[in-house]
Amino acid sequence: DGGITQSPKYLFRKEGQNVTLSCEQNLNHDAMYWYRQDPGQGLRLIYYSQIVNDFQKGDIAEGYSVSREKKESFPLTVTSAQKNPTAFYLCASRASGVVSGTDTQYFGPGTRLTVL
Amino acid sequence: DAKTTQPPSMDCAEGRAANLPCNHSTISGNEYVYWYRQIHSQGPQYIIHGLKNNETNEMASLIITEDRKSSTLILPHATLRDTAVYYCIVRALYNTDKLIFGTGTRLQVFP
Repeated sequence: DGGITQSPKYLFRKEGQNVTLSCEQNLNHDAMYWYRQDPGQGLRLIYYSQIVNDFQKGDIAEGYSVSREKKESFPLTVTSAQKNPTAFYLCASRASGVVSGTDTQYFGPGTRLTVL
Repeated sequence: DAKTTQPPSMDCAEGRAANLPCNHSTISGNEYVYWYRQIHSQGPQYIIHGLKNNETNEMASLIITEDRKSSTLILPHATLRDTAVYYCIVRALYNTDKLIFGTGTRLQVFP
């Protein structure tokens, strides 16, 4: 079954702890993205990666870190430096091809992080 | 900032067509219109996109005006499971930038 998986669906952490959110895709997409969504608001880009071993900061990268060691995986670490980490985190991957004329982002189910 | 304007909310009776409008008067010639929806506490779901011709897939139809300044997403037979926030987004193909989601339209389908 192809798609994007995020785990866990709900995550709780104590203030001051780092936590890593998982994102895996088996769609063979090159580009992957992490967004954050706060209640009643739109999505804000945290980090994105267009290719393995390369990634760029988005609009709100402070307090977050990522890695892209494999094409299928793009984990996000929320560090203790992130001042307001409680949010809904969404991972996406992008199907893009000049020949096929496609360019669409597909989203995972999300992880809801709560800092206690 | 989002380059689109949508009504904040709409209601639709189950089984009827839901017509969701979107204004994008500043759209550029190389920008496509994309539609996503987000059901509560889930990730956004891609619905459809188009440039200037009307498009249809298994989920919906997209009608784009001739001047491309507005479009309408049509769900031909709305069900309760179509209750969600619907987002209209404009972007150029192969643009590596983020998707910019506006506030969207909250569609409530009632029995």
